[in-house]
Amino acid sequence: DTGVSQDPRHKITKRGQNVTFRCDPISEHNRLYWYRQTLGQGPEFLTYFQNEAQLEKSRLLSDRFSAERPKGSFSTLEIQRTEQGDSAMYLCASSLPRASFGTQYFGPGTRLTVL
Amino acid sequence: AQTVTQSQPEMSVQEAETVTLSCTYDTSESDYYLFWYKQPPSRQMILVIRQEAYKQQNATENRFSVNFQKAAKSFSLKISDSQLGDAAMYFCAYRTVDNYGQNFVFGPGTRLSVLP
Repeated sequence: DTGVSQDPRHKITKRGQNVTFRCDPISEHNRLYWYRQTLGQGPEFLTYFQNEAQLEKSRLLSDRFSAERPKGSFSTLEIQRTEQGDSAMYLCASSLPRASFGTQYFGPGTRLTVL
Repeated sequence: AQTVTQSQPEMSVQEAETVTLSCTYDTSESDYYLFWYKQPPSRQMILVIRQEAYKQQNATENRFSVNFQKAAKSFSLKISDSQLGDAAMYFCAYRTVDNYGQNFVFGPGTRLSVLP
């Protein structure tokens, strides 16, 4: 069973550096989501793709954040000029459009620590 | 905008006992989906149970069941015969059925401890 995978699982970086995370969704899922989760809180929506099209972005997604899904398969989330406030768990999820209530299946997350 | 509230930051239950986690939400939609997800410590989030708003019957999945009160906008999770492996953060989530706005809106979570 190949679920959603994310790489890396942990990333420590210095303030001002750029970081990039990767998400590989479940193979037949055409919808992909990015969420951010801070300690003790529920995930907050960042952005969503249907195939390669980025259809929705949250106000949380500042200009320093960019996400791509070039071929409608894996996705990358890049944070430029990281700030300490970017420290969080970044979760990726995928779903099928009409199956099972659009249930989202989550990856293990990438934990980012900005020093 | 939709919001989800979980008023119990922490709960504890004795092994083999029953516990109920509360969730309320705010929406102007008449049809939507509701979910409970479980996030064990340092592990990924997994689906526990889901409910369609237009269905009156409460969803059940083995030891997990919900009490869905649409008029009250309440969606509580009951865990029967609690097991040590049930210890986790539990998140209530809402999703619209519209094509636009496919993201989930999550509550802040309830940390459940199971006491041996």
